Amino acid sequence: DIVMTQTPLSSPVTLGQPASISCRSSQSLVHSDGNTYLSWLQQRPGQPPRLLIYKISNRFSGVPDRFSGSGAGTDFTLKISRVEAEDVGVYYCIQATQFPITFGQGTRLEIK
Amino acid sequence: EVQLVESGGGLVQPGGSLRLSCAASGFTFSSYAMSWVRQAPGKGLEWVSTITGSGGSTYYADSVKGRFTVSRDNSKNTLFLQMSSLRAEDTAVYYCAKYIRCFDYWGQGTLITVSS
Repeated sequence: DIVMTQTPLSSPVTLGQPASISCRSSQSLVHSDGNTYLSWLQQRPGQPPRLLIYKISNRFSGVPDRFSGSGAGTDFTLKISRVEAEDVGVYYCIQATQFPITFGQGTRLEIK
Repeated sequence: EVQLVESGGGLVQPGGSLRLSCAASGFTFSSYAMSWVRQAPGKGLEWVSTITGSGGSTYYADSVKGRFTVSRDNSKNTLFLQMSSLRAEDTAVYYCAKYIRCFDYWGQGTLITVSS
């Protein structure tokens, strides 16, 4: 199974400041079709998860452009350019390159 | 607008069975794979199962293989998860999600509590 490791697990951030979450996979996420199926979810308190980013860097419909994804192979990053109060929650990276689909442990974003 | 609505959750005794449903609308249901993902209280997300659009292929996490069965009724735009031999560690909110090599839409979830 591919293990997904996120750092940090907790991230206190000042409003208006940037935030960054790292995700590392135990093996390459490049699929035989050439795509890399690494996505990011946001889960606000008491809410179901919501897709932010798919295939490393593609923002999903309705996601603000302050969210961006980058990376390749086994190392990926989610960045928030300027954190807003509504960004509080837990962020997960997910690999869907192969079954079983696996999630990172989650990174809790909180406001200082 | 895509909508996914889970139902069927509740309290069940260890060793018992339960069937979850997920009613889908707002997209061509039969064209998309669907998944179940669960979240134990206070814990992270865990993939449970995925079924292709036709229902011809199914995939399971090792933790549920042999106990859970995913199925779908494309004529009724409904996804199912038949759960048997339930254990305390199956206690979680179960979400259905539309799957296109990522989980692009999620339901609100339904809580399963396995306890005597």
